[in-house]
Formats: sequence, structure tokens, C-alpha cells
Amino acid sequence: NAGVTQTPKFQVLKTGQSMTLQCAQDMNHNSMYWYRQDPGMGLRLIYYSASEGTTDKGEVPNGYNVSRLNKREFSLRLESAAPSQTSVYFCASSGPTSGPYEQYFGPGTRLTVT
Amino acid sequence: GDSVTQMEGPVTLSEEAFLTINCTYTATGYPSLFWYVQYPGEGLQLLLKATKADDKGSNKGFEATYRKETTSFHLEKGSVQVSDSAVYFCALTGGSARQLTFGSGTQLTVLP
Repeated sequence: NAGVTQTPKFQVLKTGQSMTLQCAQDMNHNSMYWYRQDPGMGLRLIYYSASEGTTDKGEVPNGYNVSRLNKREFSLRLESAAPSQTSVYFCASSGPTSGPYEQYFGPGTRLTVT
Repeated sequence: GDSVTQMEGPVTLSEEAFLTINCTYTATGYPSLFWYVQYPGEGLQLLLKATKADDKGSNKGFEATYRKETTSFHLEKGSVQVSDSAVYFCALTGGSARQLTFGSGTQLTVLP
């Protein structure tokens, strides 16, 4: 049981480049989330998917797009990376098997945009 | 909107010292409250939770009590260990989509 997995673990991009961060969970959870973590600011929600086939904006969605590919997978895309998107990105999931409102987190992707 | 305020760190303690990390919140309705822990280089892990007023969450020697009258959920441990060194996040949720609102995190370092 791998839980929540994320790829890649590290990435360096140049300004204007695009990339997709991948996330998958094997806990049969309905809901999935993308957060970014910046020093002194905790985690901020970028996008979430309450169930397969639905996605909604979180607190900081600008510059990002998401795809809920199926129940297991939720990807985050940066179409034109900017230095302000340098951050650590975490994917999380929750669902009926995780108890009320508990989220399980992946190990994170550290992204640097130069 | 909902918000969580944590005591600013970093916090440095000697092994076996008493730990308190303060957390207060602002929310409509009756949120559930959580403490998450992040060890170096890892993702967040749920440490403990409380879902209604006066509930006490506990795990690994850590405790926190949901105080509605003071809108607080302070984290405590009677005797910290070096292995407790990590970043601790207070969080709440009350939305139908299970969204979490996090505090800014408190870095704890425990010295031998």
C-alpha cells in the first residue's frame, strides 16, 4: 500500500517552460488536493477535486491547471512557469476510508523556476 | 473566511522539556481541528484531531483539547524527545469539500 505518490521529486524549470506534476493514490479516496508550501505561509490550496469528474479552484489557482484523470490520479500543470511558482508542491487525498476530513499527503515535489 | 494562527517559531527545547505550541482559529460553524507534523524532507502526517468542543485528541504523547470558548487548540507534550524535531501545523476544516485551512507552521528543534 503506497498511499499517495508524487512525481517528480525535484524539478528545475526556466521561466516560460511548462510541466505537469503527477499524483496518484491507492486508498480509493474520492477527494484529492494540490497545495503549495512556501516559507512562513503554511500550505495553501491550489485546486481540489471533491470527486472523480469535478475540479474546483482553491486559494491560489492562478497560473495552474488540473486534471482528474480517474479516481486514482490528479495532475497539476504549469503552462508557463514563473519564478513566483518556486515552491514545494504537495498532493493529498481523503475519503470514506480516512475518517472525517483527514487528508493523507504525498512526499512533495520541490520545484525551482529560474 | 476561516483562518488559523499559530505561535511563531522556531522553538528550541532540551530533551524531556515540556512543549506547548499555541493555536487559535477563526471559523464559522463547528470546524474539526487537526495537528499535522512534517519531518524533514517528508510530507505532512496527521498527528491528532478533535471533531467537537471539549474533545481531546492524543497520539504519541501529544495532546490537544478543542476549546470553543477560547477558539483554541494548543498542542502539548510533557516530555519531548530529539525525534520530535519537526514542523507542526495546526489546521481546521468545516467545508463540505473537506478543505483544510492551515496555520503557518511552527518549527520545533529538540536538543539532546
